[in-house]
Amino acid sequence: RKEVEQDPGPFNVPEGATVAFNCTYSNSASQSFFWYRQDCRKEPKLLMSVYSSGNEDGRFTAQLNRASQYISLLIRDSKLSDSATYLCVVISSPFSGGYNKLIFGAGTRLAVHP
Amino acid sequence: ETGVTQSPTHLIKTRGQQVTLRCSSQSGHNTVSWYQQALGQGPQFIFQYYREEENGRGNFPPRFSGLQFPNYSSELNVNALELDDSALYLCASSLDGGSYEQYFGPGTRLTVT
Repeated sequence: RKEVEQDPGPFNVPEGATVAFNCTYSNSASQSFFWYRQDCRKEPKLLMSVYSSGNEDGRFTAQLNRASQYISLLIRDSKLSDSATYLCVVISSPFSGGYNKLIFGAGTRLAVHP
Repeated sequence: ETGVTQSPTHLIKTRGQQVTLRCSSQSGHNTVSWYQQALGQGPQFIFQYYREEENGRGNFPPRFSGLQFPNYSSELNVNALELDDSALYLCASSLDGGSYEQYFGPGTRLTVT
């Protein structure tokens, strides 16, 4: 089983639609969670952090359910510019006092059309 | 932009050859991590360097090695290239190994033929 799993999509939605992405992770000791956005042939860029209390940034809302080991991203009022791959990221700290490594899901591709 | 640069942008090598990829981190960032992203996959952690020492490694064979220099630059070296090494190689810099926020460079796209 992969450490971080996502539905690969693609999600094809019209402008203005609301779309939700889900992600599950296997390591219950994971402590920090993020969503990154990656445009075609570009580097990943941090979109937002995910907290247990949920957090919102404009049209984007992220939620974390620790009991179910589940992370979600909701995009409201989709824009053409939202077309990208969305990567779910879990922080793993395998060694006490050591480094943090980012564990990425394979990504969910979103295509927003006019 | 993140202030992290990588070179070259693209590279084509032949199976069995060796390659060196370069990264320049943000000034003041003591930590650099390297990731391999195959087509259609998320980035996979290769290793991390903190103050010129390797302090963490993913599931990659020893033919993947690295160096970090005091001037915030670093290298990823891959020996005995295999076809499966074809991927986008990303470096990411952060303040230190415990930092959650990592800043990615634009990547080097390596093709092995």
